[in-house]
Amino acid sequence: GAVVSQHPSWVICKSGTSVKIECRSLDFQATTMFWYRQFPKQSLMLMATSNEGSKATYEQGVEKDKFLINHASLTLSTLTVTSAHPEDSSFYICSAQRGVYEQYFGPGTRLTVT
Amino acid sequence: DAKTTQPTSMDCAEGRAANLPCNHSTISGNEYVYWYRQIHSQGPQYIIHGLKNNETNEMASLIITEDRKSSTLILPHATLRDTAVYYCIVSLPGNQFYFGTGTSLTVIP
Repeated sequence: GAVVSQHPSWVICKSGTSVKIECRSLDFQATTMFWYRQFPKQSLMLMATSNEGSKATYEQGVEKDKFLINHASLTLSTLTVTSAHPEDSSFYICSAQRGVYEQYFGPGTRLTVT
Repeated sequence: DAKTTQPTSMDCAEGRAANLPCNHSTISGNEYVYWYRQIHSQGPQYIIHGLKNNETNEMASLIITEDRKSSTLILPHATLRDTAVYYCIVSLPGNQFYFGTGTSLTVIP
């Protein structure tokens, strides 16, 4: 299968700071990438759809000014959590669309805000 | 919102077939059925997808009922490494996924 990476795999930051998470498709180009958040013992929740060269589309209830998404190239999308608070601590997962039918997920980034 | 319902948990004996059901009674004509699994603290792994015909690959088989309102994922010979949460997702090709609660499969030695 195709490979999607995320960096960092885990990060600890202090409340009020910003954190950037990178999502890369390593062996294919992805016009569309998606960002999800997963709290302990819960399912994945879609946050936003990221399209290369255009603004991201956010799901209802997700603050676009808090979760900044940039999809500057066909292999890279970034999620920046601004002014992070402890309630933003979560597992953040990206996925990249390859072709029409296939969506591949990254390994996830564990964010802990202290 | 997720358009699928799955049992919360299932057990399967190692070496036996694991049959994981999924209901998607509101599926539309162009929507595909996708199956992914997630092992603890990892990203979901693609398993298989289908529209209306049964599908098989090296990992699993997907059986979709004729009315497409339900499907079953079959792992033919479950191993301990198949212990994971299995998600059934209905989506148009290229569209975002809305995950349901999934089925937690435990393979028992």
